[in-house]
Amino acid sequence: SQQGEEDPQALSIQEGENATMNCSYKTSINNLQWYRQNSGRGLVHLILIRSNEREKHSGRLRVTLDTSKKSSSLLITASRAADTASYFCATDAEETSGSRLTFGEGTQLTVNP
Amino acid sequence: DTEVTQTPKHLVMGMTNKKSLKCEQHMGHRAMYWYKQKAKKPPELMFVYSYEKLSINESVPSRFSPECPNSSLLNLHLHALQPEDSALYLCASSRTGHSSYEQYFGPGTRLTVT
Repeated sequence: SQQGEEDPQALSIQEGENATMNCSYKTSINNLQWYRQNSGRGLVHLILIRSNEREKHSGRLRVTLDTSKKSSSLLITASRAADTASYFCATDAEETSGSRLTFGEGTQLTVNP
Repeated sequence: DTEVTQTPKHLVMGMTNKKSLKCEQHMGHRAMYWYKQKAKKPPELMFVYSYEKLSINESVPSRFSPECPNSSLLNLHLHALQPEDSALYLCASSRTGHSSYEQYFGPGTRLTVT
């Protein structure tokens, strides 16, 4: 399985602090995506980074990708209470025909006001 | 309109019941997905429809039967489910079935099998 693993499993920080979540995967990928899920709700796409990219920014989000280490990180700067959610990385595999995203185990982020 | 809608929001059914979950999108997306998510776990892919044809079935038991009547609608027919099938069922869509496109998720149907 090329399912991603994420660490930490849970992260609790104070508002205004930065939060960093990591994702590791096992096989070569075409791209890696990050999603957020508020409790019991659907997932929201945050950012997609392609295998030939090393870093990408979107607002307060910064994603890095290291294909040599098969790992990615998501940094949320100046966190807010509204950022409290579960964060999942999702990978596709080079050898499959597309469509199949495999999600990591997720990081539960709690931002305390 | 970037919304994926799912009905019902909650469903309680017995093991002998037949019910259906519905999903709709009006973004012109040509790929639609069903995922199953257990508490505190990531979503697990069940089915993918690409251009209204079933392209991926992740060895899902036959008591789950997907249907894509048209490019905007996706159904999941349920029959003779087991208590372990209780979960959040998520529908998603994307522009095409290629994984370089982001997926848009609905809010899910919380299913309880008694």
